[in-house]
Amino acid sequence: AQSVTQLGSHVSVSEGALVLLRCNYSSSVPPYLFWYVQYPNQGLQLLLKYTSAATLVKGINGFEAEFKKSETSFHLTKPSAHMSDAAEYFCAAQEAGGFKTIFGAGTRLFVKA
Amino acid sequence: EAGVVQSPRYKIIEKKQPVAFWCNPISSHNTLYWYLQNLGQGPELLIRYENEEAVDDSQLPKDRFSAERLKGVDSTLKIQPAELGDSAVYLCASSLGSTTEAFFGQGTRLTVV
Repeated sequence: AQSVTQLGSHVSVSEGALVLLRCNYSSSVPPYLFWYVQYPNQGLQLLLKYTSAATLVKGINGFEAEFKKSETSFHLTKPSAHMSDAAEYFCAAQEAGGFKTIFGAGTRLFVKA
Repeated sequence: EAGVVQSPRYKIIEKKQPVAFWCNPISSHNTLYWYLQNLGQGPELLIRYENEEAVDDSQLPKDRFSAERLKGVDSTLKIQPAELGDSAVYLCASSLGSTTEAFFGQGTRLTVV
């Protein structure tokens, strides 16, 4: 069964520092992959998605993620953190052509001034 | 175009009482999802609709949970009777087909006391 693992339930960075949130998936077939952001008391908002086109995917708010099949990873990065990036981030996977989306447990990003 | 709208935003009920949540998806979206999000966890699918048909309800606890999507638009999720362990955020999402990204509502935070 498909599973998504996010390493680190909490990540803390200084404002202006690199943001790196890790995500690994388990699947014999490369799935569709997503990163969502959730601000307090809000629903999930799509940051970016990978659907077997370019392996480096650019999203909103300066985020990007790279699909690495050999590592079954889809890590999320942003060169310079901003205070407004503080939120919960969820990685999700959906089998290509399938219907069920599996979410990771989430990583809460803290940004220090 | 308006996003996914859920109501109420917050609900506090006593255990053994019934409760209902309402979702109005994006008007052009035929696929509707109800997710359960426990504190510190990622969303877990409860039920997925394609138009008015429930095509995946394998994770819905049918002894106490029910859902309907009349006319393939709005949907309601009901719990009767509620238990303490049902305290969570209930998220509704919709998408244009099952293989595209989902757009989420703000969720309903249920507290059972």
